Amino acid sequence: EAGVVQSPRYKIIEKKQPVAFWCNPISGHNTLYWYLQNLGQGPELLIRYENEEAVDDSQLPKDRFSAERLKGVDSTLKIQPAELGDSAVYLCASSPRDSPLEQYFGPGTRLTVT
Amino acid sequence: AQSVAQPEDQVNVAEGNPLTVKCTYSVSGNPYLFWYVQYPNRGLQFLLKYITGDNLVKGSYGFEAEFNKSQTSFHLKKPSALVSDSALYFCAVLNTGGFKTIFGAGTRLFVKA
Repeated sequence: EAGVVQSPRYKIIEKKQPVAFWCNPISGHNTLYWYLQNLGQGPELLIRYENEEAVDDSQLPKDRFSAERLKGVDSTLKIQPAELGDSAVYLCASSPRDSPLEQYFGPGTRLTVT
Repeated sequence: AQSVAQPEDQVNVAEGNPLTVKCTYSVSGNPYLFWYVQYPNRGLQFLLKYITGDNLVKGSYGFEAEFNKSQTSFHLKKPSALVSDSALYFCAVLNTGGFKTIFGAGTRLFVKA
């Protein structure tokens, strides 16, 4: 079984530029999460989807961040415009319907904003 | 508010010795508790969880964790450490009222041969 796929793995952009991250969860997993992980810290939830519905986006900075999961499968997280403080690892995770408490994480996208 | 504390940034242990990685939590209601491991350039991997029942939970790769309600702790343990156990370990808590997992800052485990 393929794991959670994320692309790109690394991204370097200049501040004020836009950037997008893509996530394909494990097949059949209805819950999808986007997390932000700063160096030396644990992941922090940005948004959680149940199928195509964003059920918790309270921690998503909506002035510059947006996310979508149009068909309830893969998802895109966008930042526009990026700021220096956005440099971090962006993790995607998914959970199956029958084990909603277990999250399966992708390898993450390491973003560097210069 | 929910919180998780991992009081040690780093734990060093010799191969073959027992290891403990500490975690304490604060949550309203009954907690769901988790341990994840992160290897370099890889995502977090689920190790084990406590939902209810026996306070000693067994997980992957020979790890186990002990839930202590009175001390609000959920320490990760392994009887005999391997060099390959060297990684970053995260404790996490989910309160039954919401569905948001809070992660600790992580503890780096070094196992020396």
